[in-house]
Amino acid sequence: GNSVTQMEGPVTLSEEAFLTINCTYTATGYPSLFWYVQYPGEGLQLLLKATKADDKGSNKGFEATYRKETTSFHLEKGSVQVSDSAVYFCALSNAGNNRKLIWGLGTSLAVNP
Amino acid sequence: DTAVSQTPKYLVTQMGNDKSIKCEQNLGHDTMYWYKQDSKKFLKIMFSYNNKELIINETVPNRFSPKSPDKAHLNLHINSLELGDSAVYFCASSLAGLETQYFGPGTRLLVL
Repeated sequence: GNSVTQMEGPVTLSEEAFLTINCTYTATGYPSLFWYVQYPGEGLQLLLKATKADDKGSNKGFEATYRKETTSFHLEKGSVQVSDSAVYFCALSNAGNNRKLIWGLGTSLAVNP
Repeated sequence: DTAVSQTPKYLVTQMGNDKSIKCEQNLGHDTMYWYKQDSKKFLKIMFSYNNKELIINETVPNRFSPKSPDKAHLNLHINSLELGDSAVYFCASSLAGLETQYFGPGTRLLVL
């Protein structure tokens, strides 16, 4: 079956630190992969996505590369800001799944000034 | 201007009551979803409608009944509310053939 595993949080960093949030997946075929972000008190919003192997999604300084050989889609940012404090969700979508997204458990990030 | 809106934003009610949450999207999408997010931020899909037809119906108590009067609206009615129903309920929408889902701001339900 399809599943997503994310590193557990919370992750606490100082401003300007390097961020990595690990995400690995299990899926048949060729899923699309997503990172969503949820800022405090808000709904989720798409941060970036990749639809095929070796694609790199990027947005707001965040990047993630679809690695089929390691079944991973790790989220990275070179220099985090306090405003990046949020919960980050990794997700996958597989054809024939009724457009259901399979979600990771979420990783909470707190960035201190 | 709002893409996916939900009402109400907050809902505080007593155990045993019946309540409804409404969702509307103005993105022209044909698929809408209800999610439940618990206090640990775990996100669980509950229902999904495509063109007013129910296509995802996860293991959810039958006290929860979704209704989609048209493609732009998806409501959730909850009967006989229980303490464990306290959560944030999110509505989302997407367009056929595209997987990106757009989320509403959430309805924070507290059952006392």
